[in-house]
Amino acid sequence: GAGVSQSPSNKVTEKGKDVELRCDPISGHTALYWYRQSLGQGLEFLIYFQGNSAPDKSGLPSDRFSAERTGGSVSTLTIQRTQQEDSAVYLCASSFGTGGLDTQYFGPGTRLTVL
Amino acid sequence: GEDVEQSLFLSVREGDSSVINCTYTDSSSTYLYWYKQEPGAGLQLLTYIFSNMDMKQDQRLTVLLNKKDKHLSLRIADTQTGDSAIYFCAESRKFSGNTPLVFGKGTRLSVIA
Repeated sequence: GAGVSQSPSNKVTEKGKDVELRCDPISGHTALYWYRQSLGQGLEFLIYFQGNSAPDKSGLPSDRFSAERTGGSVSTLTIQRTQQEDSAVYLCASSFGTGGLDTQYFGPGTRLTVL
Repeated sequence: GEDVEQSLFLSVREGDSSVINCTYTDSSSTYLYWYKQEPGAGLQLLTYIFSNMDMKQDQRLTVLLNKKDKHLSLRIADTQTGDSAIYFCAESRKFSGNTPLVFGKGTRLSVIA
């Protein structure tokens, strides 16, 4: 079956511009996560959606970052007024959102380069 | 500081065993995971272990968990060139019922033919 898909795969933007990154989770998965992978760093948790609950935004690095999830499916991560330090690979993951073992499946990521 | 720690690089010869180590800090972690990331690709779940287990074997992969020392290891037997990748250790925590994974920085495994 289809996995998690993300678009675009690569995005190059100029400093100060806004960007939108898209994630299509696996059908039937109620939980959706965004992570950021910077060069030489591990994966940094950004935001988490579970069903219709309020998202956990505790990992967002600044108020320039926001995300929404429409209809409990597709999610968009928006970065406003991009800075060079925002350059990273943005990874989306989804899971069934059940308790216990709740394996997260990752998309291929969007590589963002801010010039 | 880093909550999940891994060595950054490991180089082994083809056919040898690889052992990738990880330490974590949250004793309440319920599941611990190993993910593999090949160049230009997303993360692929390799294996996981529940916190009440101390060993899990899956074909060429053996996971050892020392809960007392909060130490996790991944052993790859008969390492092949296709095993060259970055391996991430991750722990699953509960924050108000949510479970974002906390990852280490990853260990880059290079397999020499």
